Amino acid sequence: EDQVTQSPEALRLQEGESSSLNCSYTVSGLRGLFWYRQDPGKGPEFLFTLYSAGEEKEKERLKATLTKKESFLHITAPKPEDSATYLCAVQSVGRDDKIIFGKGTRLHILP
Amino acid sequence: KAGVTQTPRYLIKTRGQQVTLSCSPISGHRSVSWYQQTPGQGLQFLFEYFSETQRNKGNFPGRFSGRQFSNSRSEMNVSTLELGDSALYLCASSLSGVAGGNDSPLHFGNGTRLTVT
Repeated sequence: EDQVTQSPEALRLQEGESSSLNCSYTVSGLRGLFWYRQDPGKGPEFLFTLYSAGEEKEKERLKATLTKKESFLHITAPKPEDSATYLCAVQSVGRDDKIIFGKGTRLHILP
Repeated sequence: KAGVTQTPRYLIKTRGQQVTLSCSPISGHRSVSWYQQTPGQGLQFLFEYFSETQRNKGNFPGRFSGRQFSNSRSEMNVSTLELGDSALYLCASSLSGVAGGNDSPLHFGNGTRLTVT
């Protein structure tokens, strides 16, 4: 059964303290891995798509990387406005296009 | 460009009742997908509609149903509500489907918060 596990569940960092969020996945064949950001009271906002091991994507202070079993979202010198829940999702190669989300990592950046 | 609009934002219903939620996608988007988000289970895929046809369905009971109209607007219906149906219901639109790739990412609305008492 396809699974997505995110860790840690919650993370508190000081402003400027870099860290990484983890997304481990188990799928029969990966079609795509996606990262989203969700602010309280809002829907998720698309960040990145990664398709194959070794791929990397960057956007401002965020960098997403992908291996055959996991993805990391690296946050460099975060600011308080980076506080949000970060969701990882995968889509597997198969007979349908279901997308499976992890439960997210709640990130809180202290000023 | 207007984003995805979901109505209503909040809803309180009683067990056994039914409810209909509405989603207006971004103009030009033909795919609308629905998700249930709870603290315990996270975000779970309900179903996807593309050009008025249900293309994919998640592992939810038949009490959960939906439809899409010719203008791509979509509705989701939940019948015989249970306490466990209390959740944030999100819809997302995209050009081509739930793949959510860089060229066709999912755009989410802000959801309908359903409380069943």
